[in-house]
Order: sequence, then structure tokens, then C-alpha cells
Amino acid sequence: DVKVTQSSRYLVKRTGEKVFLECVQDMDHENMFWYRQDPGLGLRLIYFSYDVKMKEKGDIPEGYSVSREKKERFSLILESASTNQTSMYLCASSFSGGQNIQYFGAGTRLSVL
Amino acid sequence: GEDVEQSLFLSVREGDSSVINCTYTDSSSTYLYWYKQEPGAGLQLLTYIFSNMDMKQDQRLTVLLNKKDKHLSLRIADTQTGDSAIYFCAEKEVGTYKYIFGTGTRLKVLA
Repeated sequence: DVKVTQSSRYLVKRTGEKVFLECVQDMDHENMFWYRQDPGLGLRLIYFSYDVKMKEKGDIPEGYSVSREKKERFSLILESASTNQTSMYLCASSFSGGQNIQYFGAGTRLSVL
Repeated sequence: GEDVEQSLFLSVREGDSSVINCTYTDSSSTYLYWYKQEPGAGLQLLTYIFSNMDMKQDQRLTVLLNKKDKHLSLRIADTQTGDSAIYFCAEKEVGTYKYIFGTGTRLKVLA
């Protein structure tokens, strides 16, 4: 079974704090993704990575950065958290070939106060 | 740009069939997917269909694809209370790493 593990289910942070969200996958997938999910807006792509140290901006990268130092781990960083970054964050991974199925982690619900 | 649209809510009675609809705009997409999200959880893949297929059946789930109208549907037979969740359709753009998700349809199953 593919496993995508997000380090925290719930996080509460204060405005201005630096926040790290961690994601680890165990299937040797090349691609990893970070989405945020907000009611009525579906999933919006923040960043994705197709290889170690490689990253591409998604639709809403502002206020976020990412790090992929190892193939299995993809980190999302909020340099200075703001209240409008309160959201559900979902990590996903996939192979580049085949059916390109994305596998998701359980999500991290982040509240910025 | 590419867009995927779904209705927001659907309510059915237990034992009835549910049909969740989705329209998409990218005519070159290869795979289309249906995901289920239960409260407080991530997305779980239910099924997928390749764009050269019209139909795929997997136990209680039937996916129908109308490429001409760019319409995708998910039928759940004999809907159970455990099927209550949000259902997302998604497409993958050809030649990119990008997936486009709909806003999700919240299915409520009434006992």
C-alpha cells in the first residue's frame, strides 16, 4: 500500500511564525505536490516537485516555499504565517508514468491566529 | 484556462443510486479520476478512466465518459450511509505535471 504521511494532523501557529509542514512518501515516487483546500474552492496547487531539488510553482505560490532534499520528503514552508493561510494542507505523490495516480496524505489543518 | 466543474451538493436515500456529475474543459486530458474525501481526511482514489474509454465499472461504481460533451459521471449503486463524503473529479493535463480538481460534490445519504 502506498503511504503518504503528513507530520501533523492539526497545527496552531501565530501570525509571523515560520511554519514547516512535512510530507513523506514510501513508494519512490518522482513527483510530490502541496495543495491547500478551502471550502468551495476545491484543491489549489501551491508547489510541486518532479525530482530531488527541483520545484515548480503552482497556482498560488505566494507566501510559501518548498524544499525537496530527499526523494521521499517534501516540505512546505510558510516563511511568515498570516491568518489568510489558515487552511487544510494536502500533500500528494505520484509516479511520472502509468496512470499518473496521485496518492494523498491525511492532511494538516493549520490555524494561524 | 482549464476548469473542472461539479455541483456542490447531492442528497439521496439509502439504497438508491447516486450520480455525481462533472464537466471539464481540457480536451487533451489523458486520465480522469474520482476521489472520495471523508470528514477530516485526505483524498482517497476511488477509480479512474482513460480518455479513450467510454465506461468503467468497479463493483458498485460506474464511470461514464462522454468526450464529445466533456462530461464525466460517477454512479454509486445501492448507496450506503458510509458513502456520505465529498467526491472530487480531477483531470490531468497532457504533457504537464498538473492536475485540475473540481470543487467537490458533498454527497449526503439519508437513512
